Amino acid sequence: QVQLVESGGGVVQPWGSLRLSCAASGFTFSSYGMHWVRQAPGKGLEWVALMSYDGMNIYYADSVKGRFTVSRDNYQNTMYLQLSSLRAEDTAVYYCARDPEPRPDYYYYAMDVWGQGTTVTVSS
Amino acid sequence: QSALTQPASVSGSPGQSITISCTGTSSDVGGYRFVSWYQQHPGKAPRLMIYKVSDRPSGVSNRFSGSKSGNTASLTISGLQAEDEADYYCSSYRLTSTLVVFGTGTKLTVL
Repeated sequence: QVQLVESGGGVVQPWGSLRLSCAASGFTFSSYGMHWVRQAPGKGLEWVALMSYDGMNIYYADSVKGRFTVSRDNYQNTMYLQLSSLRAEDTAVYYCARDPEPRPDYYYYAMDVWGQGTTVTVSS
Repeated sequence: QSALTQPASVSGSPGQSITISCTGTSSDVGGYRFVSWYQQHPGKAPRLMIYKVSDRPSGVSNRFSGSKSGNTASLTISGLQAEDEADYYCSSYRLTSTLVVFGTGTKLTVL
């Protein structure tokens, strides 16, 4: 079945780094744009980034620009989120999600398939 | 980047209909048809309920419907059921470097 599975979360000190992974299965991963979305404890959803189907176009939220880097490996059906210069306010559950529009370089700016999330805690 | 505005809570009895509003600006909700709605139960990942203002993904009940007027989008749930009790978030494309903005979230209580 269509599935996304995140991994790589953990506890990291302020100014530290972490790499999250998102493994896709059950659909043609290389055809879809992919998002990262996060949710701080007890808070609402916050969009983090969108990567095009081929990895050539990446868009970041202002709050993470310059600190987070998204990449993907379409042969491994996996997307990555490199988190750097982490702050306490980056503490959250991080979700990867698929944009429903299957046409290359088109987006609905929505998320129709979500992973279960991976938790990142920034604390000394 | 400011979030879209939703009521903090709404409630209704089983069988009733409720509407959740999502107010933005002409740079997001009012300017584009890329409005989506998500349902989130405690401890679970969000679930897409509506996209492109009023389209329903396969498997979503037709009790859920979406609409938009000006800078405000709305999610209507008819025939409320106990399992509809959850948090609901809207989102929209926004004409800024932060491409997608979510709403503040609404807690739906089924009485």
